[in-house]
Amino acid sequence: AQRVTQPEKLLSVFKGAPVELKCNYSYSGSPELFWYVQYSRQRLQLLLRHISRESIKGFTADLNKGETSFHLKKPFAQEEDSAMYYCALSGLTDNAGNMLTFGGGTRLMVKP
Amino acid sequence: EAGVAQSPRYKIIEKRQSVAFWCNPISGHATLYWYQQILGQGPKLLIQFQNNGVVDDSQLPKDRFSAERLKGVDSTLKIQPAKLEDSAVYLCASSLEAEDTQYFGPGTRLTVL
Repeated sequence: AQRVTQPEKLLSVFKGAPVELKCNYSYSGSPELFWYVQYSRQRLQLLLRHISRESIKGFTADLNKGETSFHLKKPFAQEEDSAMYYCALSGLTDNAGNMLTFGGGTRLMVKP
Repeated sequence: EAGVAQSPRYKIIEKRQSVAFWCNPISGHATLYWYQQILGQGPKLLIQFQNNGVVDDSQLPKDRFSAERLKGVDSTLKIQPAKLEDSAVYLCASSLEAEDTQYFGPGTRLTVL
């Protein structure tokens, strides 16, 4: 079974401070990890995926297979980063489908 | 490019009533997903279609939930009869193929009284 855990429901930081949103996963195979974001009154959208190794809006995330983690980081938070962030894992199911499993989400609040 | 469309946006029903949600995916997307998102939780996959066939419905409560995608384009998700615990946002998503990026619709917020 695959599982994604985001230990913090809420993370509040001041503008310009570093941000780290934690994500831990449990999966027996080789996972594909994602971060999704939902800004206020907008749709859930992909922020980044680990295989692309990109930096999107200043955010990066590194897959650490030893610690089974995929933490999202940004060196200097901006007010427009305030949103709900979901970590997700894509893995094969028993019937060979590709199932996306989401964590419970972390609300990031960036204060001025 | 038009995004994933869902209707209705909001629905309030009483327990034991029936309800149906509709989803129109992005044109050309072969894979369609329905998720249930209960307040305070992340989305949970209910069912995944590849064209008009079901790929995964292992988390769909089949005694009351059903879904179809008859022509491989639009999809409907039905709940019959609804329970209080079905109150949630129901999200539809689509992707070109199963391994591609999923694009989400705005969701339907269901309240069961």
